[in-house]
Amino acid sequence: NAGVMQNPRHLVRRRGQEARLRCSPMKGHSHVYWYRQLPEEGLKFMVYLQKENIIDESGMPKERFSAEFPKEGPSILRIQQVVRGDSAAYFCASSPGMNQPQHFGDGTRLSIL
Amino acid sequence: GQQVMQIPQYQHVQEGEDFTTYCNSSTTLSNIQWYKQRPGGHPVFLIQLVKSGEVKKQKRLTFQFGEAKKNSSLHITATQTTDVGTYFCAGRFRTQGGSEKLVFGKGTKLTVNP
Repeated sequence: NAGVMQNPRHLVRRRGQEARLRCSPMKGHSHVYWYRQLPEEGLKFMVYLQKENIIDESGMPKERFSAEFPKEGPSILRIQQVVRGDSAAYFCASSPGMNQPQHFGDGTRLSIL
Repeated sequence: GQQVMQIPQYQHVQEGEDFTTYCNSSTTLSNIQWYKQRPGGHPVFLIQLVKSGEVKKQKRLTFQFGEAKKNSSLHITATQTTDVGTYFCAGRFRTQGGSEKLVFGKGTKLTVNP
């Protein structure tokens, strides 16, 4: 059973460019969560999605950030016009149901030049 | 919003010593989960506690959920170098809208001196 797959593992962007982070949940999991982690800090919740629906986006910045989980294909976290402060590790997690333990991917380390 | 406070932020021990990390919430939790993140790795689910006063053991790890379901602890007996990492608790809250939300503590970073 493949785990949660995130790509790319590392992403370098210049200020003002767009960053697209992809996440394929574990087989059989329809709930996806995105978190941001700064060095030496905890996991900050960003958004919770089910297929084609955003359930909770209370942790997402109001501008430049968006997320989707289409009927077919991976979940995408999109950051437009990146700034230096967007540099962080972005983790995706999935679960089979809302109250089930979450399984994390290896994360995408985003660096902004 | 809901918060889960976790202490200590850092803990350095000699191999063989015990280690404990604590989580506290000001409001009642539906359940609490514990995760471990190795340096450079991703969080890995360890356990979920649901019942008031619940105690669960995994080899040298003991997890407790308080009677009021507002606090929890993770205790490691006789630490080993393989225990190194950051331990996160995550409390599940029921929101006013009726949905549930998982909130992570900031984690306790454990280092073990061989």
